[in-house]
Amino acid sequence: AQSVTQPDIHITVSEGASLELRCNYSYGATPYLFWYVQSPGQGLQLLLKYFSGDTLVQGIKGFEAEFKRSQSSFNLRKPSVHWSDAAEYFCAVGGPFSSNTGKLIFGQGTTLQVKP
Amino acid sequence: DADVTQTPRNRITKTGKRIMLECSQTKGHDRMYWYRQDPGLGLRLIYYSFDVKDINKGEISDGYSVSRQAQAKFSLSLESAIPNQTALYFCATSPGNTEAFFGQGTRLTVV
Repeated sequence: AQSVTQPDIHITVSEGASLELRCNYSYGATPYLFWYVQSPGQGLQLLLKYFSGDTLVQGIKGFEAEFKRSQSSFNLRKPSVHWSDAAEYFCAVGGPFSSNTGKLIFGQGTTLQVKP
Repeated sequence: DADVTQTPRNRITKTGKRIMLECSQTKGHDRMYWYRQDPGLGLRLIYYSFDVKDINKGEISDGYSVSRQAQAKFSLSLESAIPNQTALYFCATSPGNTEAFFGQGTRLTVV
């Protein structure tokens, strides 16, 4: 069965420090991979997506993610975190194994806290 | 205006009551979805629709029903609300087998 795991439920980093949020997936084919961010009281905003091609993808707000097929991972990174990055982050998988439905399977989410 | 609009944004209801959550979109997408978010569980799919005549159950459809009134409107109903349906509900649209665009969510509390 398809699944997504975000091993870290809660992460705290200092402002200006680098960030890496982990995401591992189980999928029967090459997946489509997504990172969404949810700020308090807001909906989900797409940060970046991977469908094919270059395994390092750039997103909005200075985020990037790298697809590593051998590790079934799609980790999210940012070189320098800003206080406004405090939010909940969701990794999601979709794609051809979703029977062309467009359904997404989400990880449990990682809450990022940023210290001054 | 938001591309995907959910109403109401917040709702408190009593156990056993019928409640409807509404979603409308201006993105022109055929595909619409209802997800439920619970702490520690991420988002889980309740129902999805490809057009007004195509409704499909997701992984957690028990206790819910939906109606696709038009391409732009997709409503979620709880026929008899129970406390464990307390959650944050999201409507989403998609142009195809790619990313989804989400509404701002409806926080539902069943007391």
